[in-house]
Amino acid sequence: QKEVEQNSGPLSVPEGAIASLNCTYSDRGSQSFFWYRQYSGKSPELIMFIYSNGDKEDGRFTAQLNKASQYVSLLIRDSQPSDSATYLCAVNRAGGGNKLTFGTGTQLKVEL
Amino acid sequence: DADVTQTPRNRITKTGKRIMLECSQTKGHDRMYWYRQDPGLGLRLIYYSFDVKDINKGEISDGYSVSRQAQAKFSLSLESAIPNQTALYFCATSGQGTGERQPQHFGDGTRLSIL
Repeated sequence: QKEVEQNSGPLSVPEGAIASLNCTYSDRGSQSFFWYRQYSGKSPELIMFIYSNGDKEDGRFTAQLNKASQYVSLLIRDSQPSDSATYLCAVNRAGGGNKLTFGTGTQLKVEL
Repeated sequence: DADVTQTPRNRITKTGKRIMLECSQTKGHDRMYWYRQDPGLGLRLIYYSFDVKDINKGEISDGYSVSRQAQAKFSLSLESAIPNQTALYFCATSGQGTGERQPQHFGDGTRLSIL
């Protein structure tokens, strides 16, 4: 079992729709969760982070965390073609300092 | 100017050559990291350093070495490059702040091809 799992996609959504990206993790002691966006050939860019169970909203983005079920998700409302990218989920393991374990990413395509 | 700068941005070299990738940062962060990214495998940690005197191996350190010359500089070396080290390499930094809650910030990457 991978430590951090994501569906590789591609996930295709029409412009204006809600995109839902999911991530599961195996270490129950994980404390911090991060979502990065990566355009092809570019560096990962931090979008959101979440530490507590529940929802956290930032503009069009909402991160959701459920530690009991060991999943974290990212919702993108009013999806735009510019949101087309690969989204990486990263988890900071308990006692791991600042070391992150990354999922392999979900490719999102927003279609006109 | 970028907060985390990697040089070179692209490099093509031959098997057996020694290569150094450099990373410098102006964010004032103590913690620095080197990752490689391969299609389908995601980002994998090579080495990390929590301060100048603290260097640690990541999950795939074989064939690599690092040097933390100063708080702001962290270099990655491939002593004798081999083709399966062809990848996109990223340097990242994070603050010490609230420990595990600090996000990492990435440089623009170095695309390395070994023939």
